Amino acid sequence: KQEVTQIPAALSVPEGENLVLNCSFTDSAIYNLQWFRQDPGKGLTSLLLIQSSQREQTSGRLNASLDKSSGRSTLYIAASQPGDSATYLCAGVSSDYKLSFGAGTTVTVRA
Amino acid sequence: GAGVSQSPSNKVTEKGKDVELRCDPISGHTALYWYRQSLGQGLEFLIYFQGNSAPDKSGLPSDRFSAERTGGSVSTLTIQRTQQEDSAVYLCASSLGGSGETQYFGPGTRLLVL
Repeated sequence: KQEVTQIPAALSVPEGENLVLNCSFTDSAIYNLQWFRQDPGKGLTSLLLIQSSQREQTSGRLNASLDKSSGRSTLYIAASQPGDSATYLCAGVSSDYKLSFGAGTTVTVRA
Repeated sequence: GAGVSQSPSNKVTEKGKDVELRCDPISGHTALYWYRQSLGQGLEFLIYFQGNSAPDKSGLPSDRFSAERTGGSVSTLTIQRTQQEDSAVYLCASSLGGSGETQYFGPGTRLLVL
């Protein structure tokens, strides 16, 4: 069974600082890893999907890396803005296609 | 195009009543998933549909929970004889195919069992 852990649970940074969010998973036979954003009282917004054959994916200020051998993924958000404040969830898919979620990192970007 | 939609957005019910939650996936998506997000529990998988069949129901927490999907589109999650511990946000997602595809989530149904 895939176990996903996210550290830290919460993070507060001043505007403009780069964010580094960590995700670790136990099953290295991961099919893909997906990063999501969740705003309070809202559903999940998909940010990036990294296939197991890929090392990283980039979208605008977001960059996510995947290291299967060490069981880690990192989400980088460059030049953070107050609008980046949200909870960020990583989820891994193993061969059984269901997403196994971490508990999330709640980010606060202070203006 | 339209994303995943869910209804109702909020549901308050009394313990022991049955509830039905509805999910409309993105048009053309063959795979549909139900998840539950409970306070302090995180997100947990409930059931997966490929077309109208559910090859994996392993996440359903008890036999009070059931789900069906008709016409390869709309899905309904039914909870019978609701209990207070069923209170949670129920999220539906769809993807174009099965594993390996991005899952797109709906806004969820917030269920409160009094």
